[in-house]
Amino acid sequence: GAGVSQSPSNKVTEKGKDVELRCDPISGHTALYWYRQRLGQGLEFLIYFQGNSAPDKSGLPSDRFSAERTGESVSTLTIQRTQQEDSAVYLCASSLVAGSVSGELFFGEGSRLTVL
Amino acid sequence: SQQGEEDPQALSIQEGENATMNCSYKTSINNLQWYRQNSGRGLVHLILIRSNEREKHSGRLRVTLDTSKKSSSLLITASRAADTASYFCAPPGPDKLIFGTGTRLQVFP
Repeated sequence: GAGVSQSPSNKVTEKGKDVELRCDPISGHTALYWYRQRLGQGLEFLIYFQGNSAPDKSGLPSDRFSAERTGESVSTLTIQRTQQEDSAVYLCASSLVAGSVSGELFFGEGSRLTVL
Repeated sequence: SQQGEEDPQALSIQEGENATMNCSYKTSINNLQWYRQNSGRGLVHLILIRSNEREKHSGRLRVTLDTSKKSSSLLITASRAADTASYFCAPPGPDKLIFGTGTRLQVFP
């Protein structure tokens, strides 16, 4: 597709369940980013990929969170044993390259996660 | 790490008025970007200004950059109700963009 695609757009789960969120970046974009946005808050950086490698995982809140990227394309963010505080919109973005000379980030519409 | 801080946190104006949002950052940059977010949606890139530019225009948007003060401003002229959104500045870190909490702009018709 022409833009960044995220699925599911909405996910309601019960506390303790695992969830997987998927991101399809723009074709040819080597950098991929995950952010979290709680209601009424700013964006919280989680992790980014350059190709299939994740040089910076510093933003992952706990060991319940993990992410992978394959084929320099699709990325999956997995949250294990979800907690209510995990409720948020998870945003994915991609760009041609990462780094201080990086240009525009292209964002998906987000996956809204609600943990009951 | 590098993060933009927007000011004010919230701004309410009437249609037709101008809206000015400010951004401060900590370390030297080679460019700075502004993004817009409609409620509950993904962010959309508005404009990128390079460190050797002091001012840049795009339609009704005017962005300034003062590298000596480590600050930038976004001016929206002749605002419309459709401009209601949150606006974020994003100075680049070594490898990623760190966003602040944004300015929530409300434009009343």
